[in-house]
Order: sequence, then structure tokens, then C-alpha cells
Amino acid sequence: KQEVTQIPAALSVPEGENLVLNCSFTDSAIYNLQWFRQDPGKGLTSLLLIQSSQREQTSGRLNASLDKSSGRSTLYIAASQPGDSATYLCAVPRDGYSTLTFGKGTMLLVSP
Amino acid sequence: GAVVSQHPSWVICKSGTSVKIECRSLDFQATTMFWYRQFPKQSLMLMATSNEGSKATYEQGVEKDKFLINHASLTLSTLTVTSAHPEDSSFYICSARGRQGTKTDTQYFGPGTRLTVL
Repeated sequence: KQEVTQIPAALSVPEGENLVLNCSFTDSAIYNLQWFRQDPGKGLTSLLLIQSSQREQTSGRLNASLDKSSGRSTLYIAASQPGDSATYLCAVPRDGYSTLTFGKGTMLLVSP
Repeated sequence: GAVVSQHPSWVICKSGTSVKIECRSLDFQATTMFWYRQFPKQSLMLMATSNEGSKATYEQGVEKDKFLINHASLTLSTLTVTSAHPEDSSFYICSARGRQGTKTDTQYFGPGTRLTVL
């Protein structure tokens, strides 16, 4: 059974800092890995999707890396802004191609 | 493109009543829809998966007679919480996935529905 763990559970930083969010998964035979953002009381916004054959993906100030063999992914946020404050979730397909298993998320607060 | 909507966005009901939540894919055909539940400060937990025209597949521990799912068309799935109780209060999120091999072959999430049962 796939399990996804995210560390830290919460993070508070001043504006401008670079930061790293961590995600680990127990079954390395994944199809892909996704990072999502969730604002309070809202649905999910997909940020980055890394295919199993890829090592990293970049979108603006976000960079996600994937190390399948060690069962880890990191989300790097450069020059953080107050608007980045949200909960960040990582998810992997539970088996091959199907439903997603989510971590509990990292709640990020960026203060001005 | 690839927008998923949910209605209502929030609902308050009395214990014992039934509540229906709609999930629509607005600009693509969703062959598969997923329903998740999220309790405060917890992650999303999959409740069931439904394919258009087929009966939903429920996760272990989810009562299919309590959470009725209907995926009657390629753009609409409904979740009905029957005889709701306060412990059913939660944030319900749906997602929709298009046909395998197409541009929409990934999960797109709705904005969620906050259910409060008094």
C-alpha cells in the first residue's frame, strides 16, 4: 500500500526566502508525481507533474525534483512571496495509472 | 480549458436529511470521476471512483448505501449523502479525468463543497 509523507507539516518564513518542501513515498514504482496547491477552503490547483522518467520540472519560481529510487521528491520555491501562502500537497498514483494517494500537506505561511 | 465545477460550494443541513452535490466537467468529457473527502488539517481521502455509465467503485470503509454516486453522463457526476449526520460534515472534492491518451488524461479538481450537518 502506497503511503505518502510530507515534511514539514507547517512552515513559516519571511518574504524573500528560498524554501524546500519534502515528500516521500513508500512504493517507488510510480507512474508520476504531482504537486498541488490548496488555498483555505478551496479545491486543488496542480502546480507541477513529473513523469517517472523525469528528474525535475520547473514552472516560474517553482522547481520540483524526483528521485524514484529513494522515494523522494522536493518542491523548491524561490524568493517566496506572501501570495505563496497555502497548503502544498504531493500525490502519486496509488498503483500504476490509477487513483491518487495524497500526503497530508505542508502548510506554508510567508509573512511580509 | 479543463475546468471542473461543483455545486453547491457550501451547504448546511439538518441531521437526517439528504444532500446532493454535483460535479461537472465544463469543457471536456470525463470518462472517470473521483470523489474525495477532506477533514480539517487532513489530506484528501478517496471515497469512490466512477466511470461513466458504470457503478461506482467504493474504497474500503466507505458505505455505498450512504454515499450514493451517479455518473450518468460524460460531464456530470453526483454524490448524495443520505441521512446525513454531524460526523459527515467535511469538505468534499471531486476530480475528473478525460479519455486515456488525450490532452485531458489527468485529474482536474473541482473547487470543493463544504458540508455542515447540524
